Formats: sequence, structure tokens, C-alpha cells
Amino acid sequence: EAGVTQSPTHLIKTRGQQATLRCSPISGHTSVYWYQQALGLGLQFLLWYDEGEERNRGNFPPRFSGRQFPNYSSELNVNALELEDSALYLCASSLSGTGNTEAFFGQGTRLTVV
Amino acid sequence: GDSVTQMEGPVTLSEEAFLTINCTYTATGYPSLFWYVQYPGEGLQLLLKATKADDKGSNKGFEATYRKETTSFHLEKGSVQVSDSAVYFCALWGSGSARQLTFGSGTQLTVLP
Repeated sequence: EAGVTQSPTHLIKTRGQQATLRCSPISGHTSVYWYQQALGLGLQFLLWYDEGEERNRGNFPPRFSGRQFPNYSSELNVNALELEDSALYLCASSLSGTGNTEAFFGQGTRLTVV
Repeated sequence: GDSVTQMEGPVTLSEEAFLTINCTYTATGYPSLFWYVQYPGEGLQLLLKATKADDKGSNKGFEATYRKETTSFHLEKGSVQVSDSAVYFCALWGSGSARQLTFGSGTQLTVLP
């Protein structure tokens, strides 16, 4: 069974441009989470999507946005890129609902803003 | 809100040494607790988990016990190997509706031959 897949693996953008990162969850998972891991820092929660809706959002500016498609894949968009947006962006997926479950992570997209 | 405090790194050990990485948490209700591992250049892999008090999670020789009385979930391994060198993250999954994994800051472990 395929795990969580992210594309591209690496992305280089210029300051001010827009970046689009993609995530395909594990089959049967309807929740998708996005995290930012900047160099030397821990994982910061960005967004949670479930059943096509944004359910929760971390403390990031509005230029970080995303969506979830009917097939539960997800896209993270970062507008007006800044140098400090350079980081590893990790996507995770899980089954929906509360209760005992676990999140599985993809390999990440390394975004470099120059 | 929920928070996880993790032992500061980096930690350097010799092969076959005993490993403990401390993790304590603050959360309302009854969170699920996890340890994730991140090898160089890779994403996060779930190492082990525990979903209720006194549960012990174990995998690949690593163990951690959910201690509600001390709000702790310390990671241990009796004999580390060079291949265990990685960054280890303690995390909790809150029991509230705003479901998200809250991570500790990570502990870099280096095991020397």
C-alpha cells in the first residue's frame, strides 16, 4: 500500500513568487495535515483538512493557504514568498474522526526561497 | 493549550549504551502520545505510540510508558546502535475537536561506533 506522497521533493523559488506543494494521502484517509519544519526548529502546525473542509489553522499569515480535493489529496499554496519560508514542508494523513488514530507522514517538500 | 517539553539535545552515546530521552506534556483530557523519528534527509516515521494511561508502546527495541501521574512519556532503549542516529520527536494528539499533533522540539541523537 502506498504511503503519503508529496511532490515535488525540492522546489526553488524567488522571493515574491508563489509556491504550490501537493500531497496525496494514504488510501482511505480523509484527513490531511500540513507542517512546516524550518532549519533548526521543530515542527509547526500549519493546516488541517478533513472531508474537503479546513478544520484548523496554525499561527501563520493568510498567504499560507490550501485546499483539499474530492479525492482527499491536498495542495498547500504559499503566496508572496519570503526568505524565511525556506523550510521542509511535511504532509501527514490520518483516518477521520476523533479517538485512537495515528498520522503518517510523507517525505516532505524542501522549499528554498532565494 | 497543549504543549510538549522534550529533553534538549544533542545527545551523543557510544554503541550499546542505554538511552533515555525525557518528554513531558501538558494537555486537557486524555491525549494520545507518540514518538516519531526522523532520519537525515527524510520525513517523520512513527516509532511507537500509547493511547491511555499505563500503556507501553514499543518498537525496534525502543519503549515508552504513558505516565499520567507525572504527565510523561520518556523514550528508552537498552542498547543503541549506530543506525539509531536520528532526531526523535515526542508528540501528542489532543482529545479535543481541534485535532492536531503537537510536537516537542526534537532531540538529535548521535551514536558513535
